Amino acid sequence: QKEVEQNSGPLSVPEGAIASLNCTYSDRVSQSFFWYRQYSGKSPELIMSIYSNGDKEDGRFTAQLNKASQYVSLLIRDSQPSDSATYLCAVNEGTYKYIFGTGTRLKVLA
Amino acid sequence: DTAVSQTPKYLVTQMGNDKSIKCEQNLGHDTMYWYKQDSKKFLKIMFSYNNKELIINETVPNRFSPKSPDKAHLNLHINSLELGDSAVYFCASSYLGNEQFFGPGTRLTVL
Repeated sequence: QKEVEQNSGPLSVPEGAIASLNCTYSDRVSQSFFWYRQYSGKSPELIMSIYSNGDKEDGRFTAQLNKASQYVSLLIRDSQPSDSATYLCAVNEGTYKYIFGTGTRLKVLA
Repeated sequence: DTAVSQTPKYLVTQMGNDKSIKCEQNLGHDTMYWYKQDSKKFLKIMFSYNNKELIINETVPNRFSPKSPDKAHLNLHINSLELGDSAVYFCASSYLGNEQFFGPGTRLTVL
């Protein structure tokens, strides 16, 4: 059974700090990796996708991928209270199937 | 304009009933999905359809019947509802297996 693991949290960071969210996966052949944000009672919303080793930046968000170590991370710079949500990591298994982690709950303290 | 829409948003029903959830996407995507998110917030794939063809069926009980009349629509019919079916069901779509966009969800409560 392929797995995607995340620390459930909550991860508490002060406003303005960098939040670091981590995800490890078991399937060595996975090629596509995604981070979603889910507010309570809402649907998952795509933040970033990453397909190659290294860093990918989009505004205050940076995704980092290390396929050799089988981890993907998300950094949120200048964290805001509005970033408080659950962050879901998703990893592909084949072309049409994605395995989601259980999510990390982030709390940004004002 | 809503990209991925689902109806109904809430569904409350008795055990043993049959119910359907509808999903539509206007993104021009060729792949649609059904996910179940349980009370612990774990999001698990149930079905994937590509160009109206069933690609993934994740050992879901056969009481669950997906149907895709065209690339823009994917419906989910559930027979003989059980207490354990209570969850939030999300529809999603993507182009091939790329970034997925989720609908607002249908909260199903079985009494």
